[in-house]
Amino acid sequence: TQLLEQSPQFLSIQEGENLTVYCNSSSVFSSLQWYRQEPGEGPVLLVTVVTGGEVKKLKRLTFQFGDARKDSSLHITAAQPGDTGLYLCAGAKGNYQLIWGAGTKLIIKP
Amino acid sequence: ETGVTQTPRHLVMGMTNKKSLKCEQHLGHNAMYWYKQSAKKPLELMFVYNFKEQTENNSVPSRFSPECPNSSHLFLHLHTLQPEDSALYLCASSQRLAGAYEQYFGPGTRLTVT
Repeated sequence: TQLLEQSPQFLSIQEGENLTVYCNSSSVFSSLQWYRQEPGEGPVLLVTVVTGGEVKKLKRLTFQFGDARKDSSLHITAAQPGDTGLYLCAGAKGNYQLIWGAGTKLIIKP
Repeated sequence: ETGVTQTPRHLVMGMTNKKSLKCEQHLGHNAMYWYKQSAKKPLELMFVYNFKEQTENNSVPSRFSPECPNSSHLFLHLHTLQPEDSALYLCASSQRLAGAYEQYFGPGTRLTVT
């Protein structure tokens, strides 16, 4: 069974704090995607990382793909209430199916 | 309408009912997907269609029956469901059938089976 483990499962912090969520696997992926899902909506793609060691920035969000392409992290600087949501990672293994993590539920309190 | 739409947004049905979920994508994509999302579990891929042809059925019980009349529309027909089938059902589309392509999701149908 191919698994993507996300941690933590739940995180509640104050506005302005920094945080990191992780996505780990024993499998190698050709690429990895991060999505954010807000209540009542479907997931929306934030970023795709392809190269081992790659770092991508999206405003206050920094995404990193592990050197071995088995893991990834999402770091948020100075979190804001608008960052609240369910963060999902999904790994691609060359065919069309994505391997999904169970998600990190993030709550940013004003 | 833009993006991916799903109707109804909420559905409550008894175990003996028959209902259908509808998905429509306005993106000109060729691949469409049905996913089941349960709390604290990874998204479960149920069905995949590529150019209207079903390419994947991930061991989904026969009480779920998909239909794809054209590349823009996808249905999920439901009958004699079980309470454990209660979940958020998400439809998605992508330009091509490949994992690296971005999947665009609809808002989902929240299904409750009583």
